[in-house]
Amino acid sequence: AQSVTQPDIHITVSEGASLELRCNYSYGATPYLFWYVQSPGQGLQLLLKYFSGDTLVQGIKGFEAEFKRSQSSFNLRKPSVHWSDAAEYFCAVGYTGGGNKLTFGTGTQLKVEL
Amino acid sequence: DTAVSQTPKYLVTQMGNDKSIKCEQNLGHDTMYWYKQDSKKFLKIMFSYNNKELIINETVPNRFSPKSPDKAHLNLHINSLELGDSAVYFCASSPPSQYLNTEAFFGQGTRLTVV
Repeated sequence: AQSVTQPDIHITVSEGASLELRCNYSYGATPYLFWYVQSPGQGLQLLLKYFSGDTLVQGIKGFEAEFKRSQSSFNLRKPSVHWSDAAEYFCAVGYTGGGNKLTFGTGTQLKVEL
Repeated sequence: DTAVSQTPKYLVTQMGNDKSIKCEQNLGHDTMYWYKQDSKKFLKIMFSYNNKELIINETVPNRFSPKSPDKAHLNLHINSLELGDSAVYFCASSPPSQYLNTEAFFGQGTRLTVV
C-alpha cells in the first residue's frame, strides 16, 4: 500500500527566508503527487501537483516542488516566505487504479516569525 | 460561488444521537468523497462515489452511511454517535477521469464534536 511521510511536524522560519518542506512517498510505480495547504479553520487548497513530465512543477503563491524518483521525494519549496504562508501543509499521493483516492501525510505546521 | 459546500460548519451533539452532514458541489464533477481529519490533523478517506455509485469504502464503522441522491450531492449520515467520532469531516470532489488520477477540491469542513 502507498504511504506518505512528512518528517517535520513543525517548522519555523523568518519572514523572507527560504522554505523547504519534505515529503517522501512509498509506492512501486509512478505516483501522482500533490501538495495542499490548510489555513486555520479552512479547507484544503491545492498548491501544485505532479502527474508526469517536467519534474519541477510550479504552483500557486510562489511555491514549487521537485519530484525525485531516485529519492522517492516531492519536496515543496518557496524562495521567500511571507507571514501569510503560516499554515498546515499536506503532501498527498494518488496512484493508477486508486479510484482517485488520496493518501495524505501527517502534515507540517509552518510558523513564520516576523 | 462556493465550489464544494458543506453544511453545517459546526455540529455539537450528544453521544447516541444521529446526525447528517450535507455536501454539494457545483463543479460538474463525477466523483465525490468524504475524508475524516482527526485531532492530530491526520486526513483519511472514508468513502468515494462516482456518478452516485460507491467505489471506495474504507474500513469505516457501519454507523456511517453515505448517500448520493445525484452526482452533485453526497451526504453523510452517522448513527449512534460516539466520542471518537469527534473530528473534522471534509467533503471533496474530482473532475471526470480523463486522467487516471486528478486532484480533489475540498469543502470547508464540518467540525463535529460529540459530548
